[in-house]
Amino acid sequence: QVQLQESGPGLVKPSETLSLTCAVSGYSISSGYYWGWIRQPPGKGLEWIGSIYHSGSTYYNPSLKSRVTISVDTSKNQFSLKLSSVTAADTAVYYCARQRVESDFDYWGQGTLVTVSS
Amino acid sequence: QSVLTQPPSASGTPGQRVTISCSGSSSNIGSNTVNWYQQLPGTAPKLLIYSNNQRPSGVPDRFSGSKSGTSASLAISGLQSEDEADYYCAAWDDSLNGQVFGGGTKLTVL
Repeated sequence: QVQLQESGPGLVKPSETLSLTCAVSGYSISSGYYWGWIRQPPGKGLEWIGSIYHSGSTYYNPSLKSRVTISVDTSKNQFSLKLSSVTAADTAVYYCARQRVESDFDYWGQGTLVTVSS
Repeated sequence: QSVLTQPPSASGTPGQRVTISCSGSSSNIGSNTVNWYQQLPGTAPKLLIYSNNQRPSGVPDRFSGSKSGTSASLAISGLQSEDEADYYCAAWDDSLNGQVFGGGTKLTVL
């Protein structure tokens, strides 16, 4: 069974960089699929942040592209998100998920709440 | 403002059939497949329908999806209290070169 688990600080100061990691178990990232990040502000809908292939190929939401970096570590079977220059608008539950190419997210992590506040 | 448009709310009584619409454009629904997610309160989204009308293993056949042109629909028949959740449509957008979601529809079982 494929499982994903997000980890990282729950509180980030404005203007700093948000960093999260998604550990994958039950499936080797190197075997294929894309791996993505999605976020959900409190009480609001879902927003795709970006996705990465095991080779390192990435694609990002154009509205966040200038601030986002997604990387993969196949040796640890995990991938990571960095979002720079955060503001209160970046406060959200951040989910990691497995993604079929340009298609659906079939396995999701439980999500982690990140609050941006001084 | 979401790229895909869904009604903010829907409701039905137990046993009833309800549908949730999702409207897009030629760059997303019109040229790519549609997926639907169910998000129960306080939980992560779960894939409900993929490739317009395919159900992952374990999803009851009460849930069905369809697509026509630049619109898609999710139908739930034999509505149950446990179906009360938020439902999101999603598709790849060729213009944005990324995944887009609808704003979500909150389904209430009366």
